[in-house]
Amino acid sequence: RKEVEQDPGPFNVPEGATVAFNCTYSNSASQSFFWYRQDCRKEPKLLMSVYSSGNEDGRFTAQLNRASQYISLLIRDSKLSDSATYLCVVRGSGTYKYIFGTGTRLKVLA
Amino acid sequence: DAGVIQSPRHEVTEMGQEVTLRCKPISGHDYLFWYRQTMMRGLELLIYFNNNVPIDDSGMPEDRFSAKMPNASFSTLKIQPSEPRDSAVYFCASSYLLGVGELFFGEGSRLTVL
Repeated sequence: RKEVEQDPGPFNVPEGATVAFNCTYSNSASQSFFWYRQDCRKEPKLLMSVYSSGNEDGRFTAQLNRASQYISLLIRDSKLSDSATYLCVVRGSGTYKYIFGTGTRLKVLA
Repeated sequence: DAGVIQSPRHEVTEMGQEVTLRCKPISGHDYLFWYRQTMMRGLELLIYFNNNVPIDDSGMPEDRFSAKMPNASFSTLKIQPSEPRDSAVYFCASSYLLGVGELFFGEGSRLTVL
């Protein structure tokens, strides 16, 4: 079983739609969680951290469910510019080893 | 401030040749990571350093791969001999202790082994 699993998609949604991605992780001792965004043929960049209480940044909301070992990302009012691959990232306890999921591809259609 | 700088951006080589990828982290960052990205396997952590010391190299695929960090501003990833299955994009990233979670990636080195 992979340490971090994501649905690869693609998710094709119209502009203005709300879309949600989930990501599951296998190590219950994982300590920190993040969402990164990667545009085609570019490097990954941090989108947001995921806190236990959930957090929001504009149209983006991230949540963590430790009991079920998954994190989620919700994007409201999708824009064409949101088209990218979204990478779930997990860091274990006592380590700086950041494990990336394979990513979920989002395409926002006009 | 300059970001993470990687070279070369593209490399095409023949099987059996030695490949050296280079990385200059962001000044002041004390963690450096090497990742490999392929369509099939996504981003895989190969090795990471803290204060120039290798901490975890469990992701290095085999003895053909080696990485060094002789000083705080330079790291290399070497493949010798290279094989077609090594074709991938190799990313270097750096981070600092208090910036937990934010890895700053270079633009990557796209390697093609024929």
